[in-house]
Amino acid sequence: DSGVTQTPKHLITATGQRVTLRCSPRSGDLSVYWYQQSLDQGLQFLIQYYNGEERAKGNILERFSAQQFPDLHSELNLSSLELGDSALYFCASSVVWTGGAETQYFGPGTRLLVL
Amino acid sequence: DAKTTQPTSMDCAEGRAANLPCNHSTISGNEYVYWYRQIHSQGPQYIIHGLKNNETNEMASLIITEDRKSSTLILPHATLRDTAVYYCIVSRGGSNYKLTFGKGTLLTVNP
Repeated sequence: DSGVTQTPKHLITATGQRVTLRCSPRSGDLSVYWYQQSLDQGLQFLIQYYNGEERAKGNILERFSAQQFPDLHSELNLSSLELGDSALYFCASSVVWTGGAETQYFGPGTRLLVL
Repeated sequence: DAKTTQPTSMDCAEGRAANLPCNHSTISGNEYVYWYRQIHSQGPQYIIHGLKNNETNEMASLIITEDRKSSTLILPHATLRDTAVYYCIVSRGGSNYKLTFGKGTLLTVNP
């Protein structure tokens, strides 16, 4: 158990719909990262928040957005869903070690199926 | 971030040491070597990281060559539960650095 929680575990929806995925980082961790894992693309970084502010963006579509709230939980919003958005979505929180290395701890993921 | 090269797959007998190689010939001086693994469809799990020196923790050992162009992750006594995809990632330290996952090595531990 990494200490990172994600809800829901599974989500089935239809094309054109909108969904919200939720992530709670480990206690005390300020960073939240979102990743998408589809069969043909592997694990892809989407976006990162640090203490409520967006810090880095990866391959995130304009139909997708995220935010981090004052209690540090984060939500990833996916809208106008397409079949190709079916994937596993992971969030992670991170720890920076003395010396500067950073390790990420991943949640169990949300499996999204768009029909 | 430097690119890494790993074998696509490896097999190991249960109870034996599993040695997973990784080439990162373009690594720069301030980049760390990280290893993560992903057991089927679960969230990736951090294993170990290092900069120059060899490292050991309760999960594994990491051997980094002197020129830092390659490394080996060692699972000393592999079990069936170690069957997973292992990712070698090179990244700069400090906060706010995303991980770039390649295809990794599928390690299959056989009984």
